[in-house]
Amino acid sequence: EVQLVESGGGLVQPGGSLRLSCAASGFTFNIYWMHWVRQVPGKGLVWVARIDSDGRSVNYADSVKGRFTISRDNAKNTLYLQMNSLRAEDTAVYFCVRDKTIVIHDTFDTWGQGTMVTVSS
Amino acid sequence: DIQMTQSPSSLSASVGDRVTITCQASQDITNYLNWYQQKPGKPPKLLIYDASNLETGVPSRFSGSGSGTDFTLTISSLQPEDIGTYYCQQFDDLLLTFGGGTKVEIK
Repeated sequence: EVQLVESGGGLVQPGGSLRLSCAASGFTFNIYWMHWVRQVPGKGLVWVARIDSDGRSVNYADSVKGRFTISRDNAKNTLYLQMNSLRAEDTAVYFCVRDKTIVIHDTFDTWGQGTMVTVSS
Repeated sequence: DIQMTQSPSSLSASVGDRVTITCQASQDITNYLNWYQQKPGKPPKLLIYDASNLETGVPSRFSGSGSGTDFTLTISSLQPEDIGTYYCQQFDDLLLTFGGGTKVEIK
């Protein structure tokens, strides 16, 4: 079964840091592009970041560029999101997401259950 | 960034009704448009990709159409299990964006 399981969320003070992890299983992780998408509870979806299959190419939403870093460890089948200089507006559920196929990019067919990040003093 | 505008923001319809949700892009995105369904407390689920292709396992009452800037998701006969929020998403631009969502309820 294809599965994505996020972890690492929690409560952090403004200006603080947090690293999210996403453990992938049931598919060949190292050939898929991966993404992070976030959602404020009760609000809409916002794409955060993308990483290609070997980690050489990354892209970020303007709202997180320079503060967040997406990375992956293909040997561990794990995706990461390092979040620094966190702000209240970063409070959201963060989803780990997989591309539909290795050639159909930016179309999300597999989602994790999400991990909640709360930035508050 | 490409802005995606969905309408309506919410709707209430009866079981068996034909439901139409529209999504408008701020610029031409050809057919680089996907539709997702999200139920409360769950992650989104891919319904339609490339504007009109039905994802495997999705009931045939769902269909997508459109190209350029104007797109439509249609549920031909609304069922109770179709309640939730629907989102469009463009992938023409490197920076991906979603529409604001359309909440579908049963009357």
